[in-house]
Amino acid sequence: KAGVTQTPRYLIKTRGQQVTLSCSPISGHRSVSWYQQTPGQGLQFLFEYFSETQRNKGNFPGRFSGRQFSNSRSEMNVSTLELGDSALYLCASSLALPGRNTEAFFGQGTRLTVV
Amino acid sequence: GEDVEQSLFLSVREGDSSVINCTYTDSSSTYLYWYKQEPGAGLQLLTYIFSNMDMKQDQRLTVLLNKKDKHLSLRIADTQTGDSAIYFCAESSPRAQKLVFGQGTRLTINP
Repeated sequence: KAGVTQTPRYLIKTRGQQVTLSCSPISGHRSVSWYQQTPGQGLQFLFEYFSETQRNKGNFPGRFSGRQFSNSRSEMNVSTLELGDSALYLCASSLALPGRNTEAFFGQGTRLTVV
Repeated sequence: GEDVEQSLFLSVREGDSSVINCTYTDSSSTYLYWYKQEPGAGLQLLTYIFSNMDMKQDQRLTVLLNKKDKHLSLRIADTQTGDSAIYFCAESSPRAQKLVFGQGTRLTINP
């Protein structure tokens, strides 16, 4: 079956702009989590959605937001981009909530560069 | 709170075994995972272990869990050049409801 699909793979944006990233989970998976990966901070949790509801949120400013649709696809949005937002954004898909009897599968990520 | 620690680098000779270590702090962790990341790629789930297990073996991979010491290790037998990557340890728990990752261990294979 198809894996986790993230689009686009690469993105270059200018400071102050906004960006929307998309994640299509594995068919049947209802949980989608987002992570930011940078060389300095490593993998940091952004937020997690389950059945269209945000269940958990990491320590990121309000410029970072997300949503999940009824088909479990998820989008995350970053407004007023800053240079420090340059990172690899990874989406993880799982059957159930993290911490439950579930495995989390990741997409290839979206590489965002802010100039 | 949750914290996961790993050493940053490991270098082994091709054909030898690699052992990557990880410590975690959340005693309520239920699942512990090992992921592999190759350059320019996402995270590939290698294996996971439930907290009530001591060991799990899957082909060349062996995971050992010492719950008392909160120590997890991944052993890769007969290490090959294709095993060169960054390996991440991660924990999850119903309380945290997220994956908490270590910094990653960069595994380098010497011919």
